[in-house]
Amino acid sequence: GAVVSQHPSRVICKSGTSVKIECRSLDFQATTMFWYRQFPKQSLMLMATSNEGSKATYEQGVEKDKFLINHASLTLSTLTVTSAHPEDSSFYICSAPSGNQETQYFGPGTRLLVL
Amino acid sequence: SQQGEEDPQALSIQEGENATMNCSYKTSINNLQWYRQNSGRGLVHLILIRSNEREKHSGRLRVTLDTSKKSSSLLITASRAADTASYFCAYDSGGSYIPTFGRGTSLIVHP
Repeated sequence: GAVVSQHPSRVICKSGTSVKIECRSLDFQATTMFWYRQFPKQSLMLMATSNEGSKATYEQGVEKDKFLINHASLTLSTLTVTSAHPEDSSFYICSAPSGNQETQYFGPGTRLLVL
Repeated sequence: SQQGEEDPQALSIQEGENATMNCSYKTSINNLQWYRQNSGRGLVHLILIRSNEREKHSGRLRVTLDTSKKSSSLLITASRAADTASYFCAYDSGGSYIPTFGRGTSLIVHP
């Protein structure tokens, strides 16, 4: 099956710094990618839809200036958490839809801890 | 979008037993899928069932869909310790293929 990678897998940063998370589709092209956030023992909450060559679409309640998304190529989307605070600590997961868009291929996730 | 409900939230069984997890939703759906997540990892797609299907099998997995009750179930037969994970249903509806995830069931299979 298709493979989606994320980097880094784990990051610890100080409050106020910015953190960039990369999501790559390794063996297929993805004009659309999705970014999710997952708190401990909870479900995935969609944050935004990343669109190659155009602006991301953010879900209600997600600050676009805080969570910057850039989909620079057909295989790479990045999520930058700007001025991170402890409440931003979470598990961030990206996904890309399959060719027929019926299923999603998920990255392994990035654990962010803001001190 | 409204999150789906899953029950039970947690399930603890012995190896060899069957595990059944249920998912309910509130809208008309196109497809419903089940995913598995090992602790601290990404999601792995298990099985997809379309709205016009009632049952699907894949190995030890059996998924049913009852659109009249707006519910689906995932049955894992002859469970193994390696089945320990969280299981999520996800469905898409209307013109959107973006899935809405259920709350998940945490399954622990004791060896």
